Amino acid sequence: EVQLVESGGGLVQPGRSLRLSCAASAFTFDDYAMHWVRQAPGKGLEWVSGIGWNSGNIGYADSVKGRFTISRDNAKNSLYLQMNSLRAEDTALYYCAKDRFGELLTHFDYWGQGTLVTVSS
Amino acid sequence: EIVLTQSPATLSLSPGERATLSCRASQSVSRYLAWYQQKPGQAPRLLIYDASNRATGIPARFSGSGSGTDFTLTISSLEPEDSAVYYCQQRSNLITFGQGTRLEI
Repeated sequence: EVQLVESGGGLVQPGRSLRLSCAASAFTFDDYAMHWVRQAPGKGLEWVSGIGWNSGNIGYADSVKGRFTISRDNAKNSLYLQMNSLRAEDTALYYCAKDRFGELLTHFDYWGQGTLVTVSS
Repeated sequence: EIVLTQSPATLSLSPGERATLSCRASQSVSRYLAWYQQKPGQAPRLLIYDASNRATGIPARFSGSGSGTDFTLTISSLEPEDSAVYYCQQRSNLITFGQGTRLEI
């Protein structure tokens, strides 16, 4: 069964940095695009960023462009999100999600359980 | 950015009834629209992709239709476990989600 396990969340002060990780298993990781999707407490879903199978296609939401960097290590079956200059509005549960395809950024057929990021002084 | 507007915000129906959820895009997304179900404390689950294709393991009572700017998710005969928030998502120009429709059974 496909598993996506996020880690790296926690409490961080505004302006600081945090790096999230997602460990994937039970599928051929380097065949698929991957994404980060977040959900602020009590709010809806917001796509954050996605990356194609070979890192050749990368996209960001306007709200995080220039502050967040997505990356992947196919040898380690892992996805990452480097978050810099964090703001209070970045507080959310961050989900790792698998795409249905490899290169294009499309829809998400498997999700992790999320890691909580809280930005507060 | 393509904005997706879902209606109604909340829908209250009884078991066995038919539910119709709407998603309208601010510009055409062709058929590049998906629907997700999210129950409290759980991650979202993909129901429908590319407007009308059911994802693996999704019951036949869930169906999707539409193209361009207007889309519909229909649940033909509601069951109590269908209580959830439903989100639409487009992939035509980057990725955006609608704000969600809460379905109460």
